[in-house]
Amino acid sequence: DADVTQTPRNRITKTGKRIMLECSQTKGHDRMYWYRQDPGLGLRLIYYSFDVKDINKGEISDGYSVSRQAQAKFSLSLESAIPNQTALYFCATSGRTSGSTDTQYFGPGTRLTVL
Amino acid sequence: GQQVMQIPQYQHVQEGEDFTTYCNSSTTLSNIQWYKQRPGGHPVFLIQLVKSGEVKKQKRLTFQFGEAKKNSSLHITATQTTDVGTYFCARRTTSGTYKYIFGTGTRLKVLA
Repeated sequence: DADVTQTPRNRITKTGKRIMLECSQTKGHDRMYWYRQDPGLGLRLIYYSFDVKDINKGEISDGYSVSRQAQAKFSLSLESAIPNQTALYFCATSGRTSGSTDTQYFGPGTRLTVL
Repeated sequence: GQQVMQIPQYQHVQEGEDFTTYCNSSTTLSNIQWYKQRPGGHPVFLIQLVKSGEVKKQKRLTFQFGEAKKNSSLHITATQTTDVGTYFCARRTTSGTYKYIFGTGTRLKVLA
């Protein structure tokens, strides 16, 4: 969905480097999520935020941190990247729209490779 | 637990054949969502089911929520090459929260 953008789209980095993935949305949603996708494992929740002052750990938060700079922006950081963090990362949002408030809208994803 | 078991993991069908994927939970679900991810794309919301025994249709897609609200299915009639992708179900972790757990997905390939 073009209303949810992620940068960068692709990134190759080395073990031990600090990496930040950024997510922005223009949907006016209060809820934002970070997921990682690995083959055969589906989507696993890393962190989620229900408003600017609310940050929560998901299933697999170890090695990651987040920052909710504004309602529209939610960043994911890898403090010291390791090879098993190589994955496809998705940001998603949800909130009050004309449809269900539960619907999650995903960004295009960031493909991260840690060498 | 909160696991959502989704089967099968992979399915190859000939174009025109039907396809079904299933989501099963050991606990009662407050709702179930279905998403589709095209190859190289991102998950896109398809539908949400809330009521026991609910059945919803979107053209060739039929979604069902079990009577006991512990399972759900997505059935595609007469598959087309445009149906290719991975189908995920997702459940709320706890009733009243907006935190979701996704199934492992079913990857569908349609052979022309």
